[in-house]
Amino acid sequence: DGGITQSPKYLFRKEGQNVTLSCEQNLNHDAMYWYRQDPGQGLRLIYYSQIVNDFQKGDIAEGYSVSREKKESFPLTVTSAQKNPTAFYLCASKASGRALTGELFFGEGSRLTVL
Amino acid sequence: RKEVEQDPGPFNVPEGATVAFNCTYSNSASQSFFWYRQDCRKEPKLLMSVYSSGNEDGRFTAQLNRASQYISLLIRDSKLSDSATYLCVVNSPGNTPLVFGKGTRLSVIA
Repeated sequence: DGGITQSPKYLFRKEGQNVTLSCEQNLNHDAMYWYRQDPGQGLRLIYYSQIVNDFQKGDIAEGYSVSREKKESFPLTVTSAQKNPTAFYLCASKASGRALTGELFFGEGSRLTVL
Repeated sequence: RKEVEQDPGPFNVPEGATVAFNCTYSNSASQSFFWYRQDCRKEPKLLMSVYSSGNEDGRFTAQLNRASQYISLLIRDSKLSDSATYLCVVNSPGNTPLVFGKGTRLSVIA
């Protein structure tokens, strides 16, 4: 089945540690996105990538880093510089040329808790 | 003014009620519009796109008013299973990411 897989689903981290969240898609989508969601809040864009080997900062990129070495993969690293990393992280992808349909396909999310 | 604004709710309605949500957007050049549904602690999923002429899918009707820059979602004959957060999403011209509203929470009560 085609889709987006995020791992891990739940992650606990000590302060000062970097963690990497995995996002893999087999939908052959060009564009991939990382969002953060806090309780009672909407989705805020962290980073996005429209094509392999290229990515742009979103609205809240500070303290995060990404890479896009393969079309299928868009991992997100939450660094120790991120002041308040506890949140629900959502990865999404969209096919290029489908701007008018706009359907974003989301992974099931990764819930990060900093202890 | 925020790019996409929604009434956060919660809207608490009895089963069978009709409920409507509005969403306003600030960029007059926005081209496409969507409603997503998000269940508690789950990922958002596309509910429906919103077309200029308005569109209906079963109990759900979406409408777009470009002059006033708002879109609406109407749910008729509410079911318990409609309880969720409804996210308004707008796509501006060019290759820019979709912009999400903060969502409106709906609780349908028996």
